[in-house]
Amino acid sequence: DAKTTQPPSMDCAEGRAANLPCNHSTISGNEYVYWYRQIHSQGPQYIIHGLKNNETNEMASLIITEDRKSSTLILPHATLRDTAVYYCIILQHSNYQLIWGAGTKLIIKP
Amino acid sequence: GAGVSQTPSNKVTEKGKYVELRCDPISGHTALYWYRQSLGQGPEFLIYFQGTGAADDSGLPNDRFFAVRPEGSVSTLKIQRTERGDSAVYLCASSLTGDTGELFFGEGSRLTVL
Repeated sequence: DAKTTQPPSMDCAEGRAANLPCNHSTISGNEYVYWYRQIHSQGPQYIIHGLKNNETNEMASLIITEDRKSSTLILPHATLRDTAVYYCIILQHSNYQLIWGAGTKLIIKP
Repeated sequence: GAGVSQTPSNKVTEKGKYVELRCDPISGHTALYWYRQSLGQGPEFLIYFQGTGAADDSGLPNDRFFAVRPEGSVSTLKIQRTERGDSAVYLCASSLTGDTGELFFGEGSRLTVL
């Protein structure tokens, strides 16, 4: 099963772009990369997902390297409300299960 | 409501007691998931329902844990003979179908076993 590696914590200044890295070197060709975030004391919230092309929505952009071994979630203009734990997850193709790691705690500083 | 609803939001019980946690998914969502989350950890998969049936219960830690979804909507997670190690936040999520990773989570039920 594909696993992900993320830094345990990161800081970012308010108004700047937050770039969250994720390594998934054992990902299979048909497995998707999903990103979720979890604000303190709330349930996780879906952000974005991708297979090989870069993706963008109203919340974030997802950049996946050509070899698919890593990806970066970009929050273009971070606000204090973006402080949360961000999870990079591989969706297992065999049973569509999400396997969660410990995530990256992102702190946005004023 | 529009989102996934979980009750109770907090439950304190004594070791050895029986506990039920309820999840009301988004209307029309056929897939329902239960996860458990300990402090500082990501969610840990417990069980997945497609309709009324448990499609995957491989994450249930032992036979003290059981979940049902009799009418394909509301689900109940049941824990017998609770132990202190069962203390965690129990998260429920639903999705429109079972072949997507886009899940909608509730706020969770925090269980504390004394």
